[in-house]
Amino acid sequence: SYDLIQPPSVSVSPGQTASITCSGDKLGNKFVCWYQQKPGQSPVLVIYQDNRRPSGIPERFSGSNSGNTATLTISGTQAMDEADYYCQAWDSSTVVFGGGTKLTVL
Amino acid sequence: QVTLKESGPVLVKPTETLTLTCTVSGFSLSNPRMGVSWIRQPPGRALEWLAHLFSNDEKCYRTSLESRLTISKDISKSQVVLTMTNMDAVDTATYYCARMGGVTEDAFDIWGQGTMVTVSS
Repeated sequence: SYDLIQPPSVSVSPGQTASITCSGDKLGNKFVCWYQQKPGQSPVLVIYQDNRRPSGIPERFSGSNSGNTATLTISGTQAMDEADYYCQAWDSSTVVFGGGTKLTVL
Repeated sequence: QVTLKESGPVLVKPTETLTLTCTVSGFSLSNPRMGVSWIRQPPGRALEWLAHLFSNDEKCYRTSLESRLTISKDISKSQVVLTMTNMDAVDTATYYCARMGGVTEDAFDIWGQGTMVTVSS
């Protein structure tokens, strides 16, 4: 089976840049998307097709994907960005989610 | 406005079969661009994809659970149904349905609110 590996946690100071990675074999050959999930809420799509933002998602959210690693970058991180973040990709007609990264803004 | 809403039992007993319904509005399940997945999340844990139903009725399942899962749709009722047999305590989770195929193509752009299912005798 195909695995997507994320760091369990990332910490960032307000106003700084947060980077969350997602690693998988030849991941750069697949489209990656990212979801934000706050406690008690459903996930929200923040990045799709590696680096595209859905309508309504702030410009401070951006993404990249190359080689074996995709990265979600949050520039000028705000307290409201504190949440769990999940990467996702398709592999062999199945959907794969990463294990999630808890972003702490402190 | 596009919405998805999950419904089903709150509590099921071990070995029973779970049937969950996702009722959609704001789009048609017959739209060739659209598909719906079921995704679950055990308490305090990560998202876990279960099954996907494409508009052409093609289905795909999580390999490790394929023998227990069936996904189907009723276009006239705008519903996608997931059945999972032989439920166990480890299946306790919040179950979400989510749409794929809008502007964001192969990403889940709209999610339901989720429904919590507890497996216990």
